[in-house]
Amino acid sequence: QVQLQQWGAGLLKPADTLSLTCAAYGGSLRGYHWSWIRQSPEKGPEWIGEINHVGNITYNPSLKSRVTISLDTSKNQFSLKLRSMTAADTAVYYCARGYYFDSWGQGTLVTLSA
Amino acid sequence: DIVMTQSPDSLAVSLGEKATINCKSSQSVFYSSNNKNYVAWYQQKPGQPPKLLIYWATTRQSGVPDRFSGSGSGTDFTLTISSLQAEDVAVYYCQQYYSPLMYTFGQGTKLEIK
Repeated sequence: QVQLQQWGAGLLKPADTLSLTCAAYGGSLRGYHWSWIRQSPEKGPEWIGEINHVGNITYNPSLKSRVTISLDTSKNQFSLKLRSMTAADTAVYYCARGYYFDSWGQGTLVTLSA
Repeated sequence: DIVMTQSPDSLAVSLGEKATINCKSSQSVFYSSNNKNYVAWYQQKPGQPPKLLIYWATTRQSGVPDRFSGSGSGTDFTLTISSLQAEDVAVYYCQQYYSPLMYTFGQGTKLEIK
């Protein structure tokens, strides 16, 4: 089964841009949807958006104005950028495969500090 | 958006007894064209990403013990653990993937040992 490994800065300042990357090991990006999901403390997961292997993208309408998801098939990676970060964006961010999510990254705790 | 509402919010069950978690969607997540319900169930333990247990409402993910089962159709779904084991203590989430514009999760059910 594919393994997802994610990385990126976890401590940001208000108004910063969050940048995370997720690499798929042991499997190709082809034929699947690839999502970013976040989870605030003590809450259910919130889907941020997805991209498929040909670059079709769908975003959560509540975040659409601040989010960009992109794909690098040559590196078997996909990425998330979330602009204008506020305290409300504090969460653990995950990458995941599919539309029911059968593989997940390890998670990145993102916090803000002035 | 399709809202997924779980009940109860928390549940305490004795070891070896049955645990039942319910999930209700705000609209039907059944596609008559393929006779499938677009619902998945996840288990999440502290410090870990969610783990896929069930997809298409009733299909058990590879490697998941057969004491876990999913049922339901339309708007009402159930996750059943037939004989609770200590390692099943976790938070459980349902998710709909019927709407390709917006995947949504339930708020979670915390399962503990009585």
